[in-house]
Order: sequence, then structure tokens, then C-alpha cells
Amino acid sequence: DVKVTQSSRYLVKRTGEKVFLECVQDMDHENMFWYRQDPGLGLRLIYFSYDVKMKEKGDIPEGYSVSREKKERFSLILESASTNQTSMYLCASGSTGAYSTDTQYFGPGTRLTVL
Amino acid sequence: AQSVTQLGSHVSVSEGALVLLRCNYSSSVPPYLFWYVQYPNQGLQLLLKYTSAATLVKGINGFEAEFKKSETSFHLTKPSAHMSDAAEYFCAVSGGSNYKLTFGKGTLLTVNP
Repeated sequence: DVKVTQSSRYLVKRTGEKVFLECVQDMDHENMFWYRQDPGLGLRLIYFSYDVKMKEKGDIPEGYSVSREKKERFSLILESASTNQTSMYLCASGSTGAYSTDTQYFGPGTRLTVL
Repeated sequence: AQSVTQLGSHVSVSEGALVLLRCNYSSSVPPYLFWYVQYPNQGLQLLLKYTSAATLVKGINGFEAEFKKSETSFHLTKPSAHMSDAAEYFCAVSGGSNYKLTFGKGTLLTVNP
């Protein structure tokens, strides 16, 4: 089974703090994704990465950055956390192979509260 | 460009009743379509997916969905709801070279005893 793990289930931070959310997958997937989930808005893509050190902006990248130094690990960084970044953050991974059907596998999520 | 519309943010059914969750999509390329389920305090789990093979797709836990190109729909059904089906359900579409998924806003399913 594909396993996607996230470093924390719950996180509480102060406004202005730098926040790191870590995600690790064990299936050698090329693609990794960060979403945020808010009630009534569904999932919105923040950033994705299709290879080590490669990244592309998603739909809502403002206020976030990412890092992918190793294939299995994808980090989301909030440079200066703000209260409007209080949300559930979901990481996902997927394969890019010739027979890929774009299925993404999700981690359990990190519920971040910024005070 | 791709988009997904889920009709009804909240659906309530009685245990044993038919479950019908509606999804309409828009895609400029032949789509792959997905239904994911999210149980409370968990991540998303794949229920089923359409990948241009059979138009009627069977998934886990007795769910199935039918791809109807003429109606641009991919509605999710289950003949008989169980209390354990209470969760939020997301429809998603992908297609193209970047493997991005576009999600609907979700439908919360409540099952009443």
C-alpha cells in the first residue's frame, strides 16, 4: 500500500512564525502536491512538484513556498504565518508513468492553527 | 481548463436508502474522473476512478459511478446506505500533461438511522 505521512496532525503557531510542514511518501512517486482544505471551498492546490528540485505554482501559492531536495520528501513553508493561513493542509503523491491514471494518494493532513 | 461542480453541499439519507451524489465536469481533453471520500479527521481515500475503459465503474464499499459524456456527468451511487458511509465526498477531474487534479467543493453525506 502507498503510504504518505505528514509530520504533524495538529500544529499551533503564532502570527509571524516560520512554519514547516513535512510530507514523505514511500512509493517512489515523481509527483507530489500540497493542498489546503477549507469548509465550503474544497481542496485548493498550493504547489506541486514533478521532480526533485522542480516545482510549479498551483492556484493559491501566495504566502507559501516549497522545497523538494529528495524524491520522497516535499516540504511546505509558511515564511511568516498569518491567521488566514489557519486551515487543513493535505499532502499527496502520484506517479507519472506511461500507464498513470493520475491517481493521487493522500496523507492524513495537518490541521494548522495560527494565533 | 478543467472544473468540477458537485450539486448539493449536504445530502441526507436514511439508512438503507439509495445514495446519489452528483458531479458534473468540464474538460478540454478526455478526462480522468475520480471520487474520493474523507472520513472525519482523516485524509482523502480513493473510492473509484474512470480512465476511459468501462463507463460504469465499481469502487470500494459498494459504490459505483457512471461516466456519461453526453451529460458531462459522473454521479456516484450506492443502492443501500450504511451508517459507516457518513463522510465527505469529493469529485475530481484530471487530464493533460501535468497530472493535476481539480476538485469539487465536496458533498457531506449524512446517514440517519
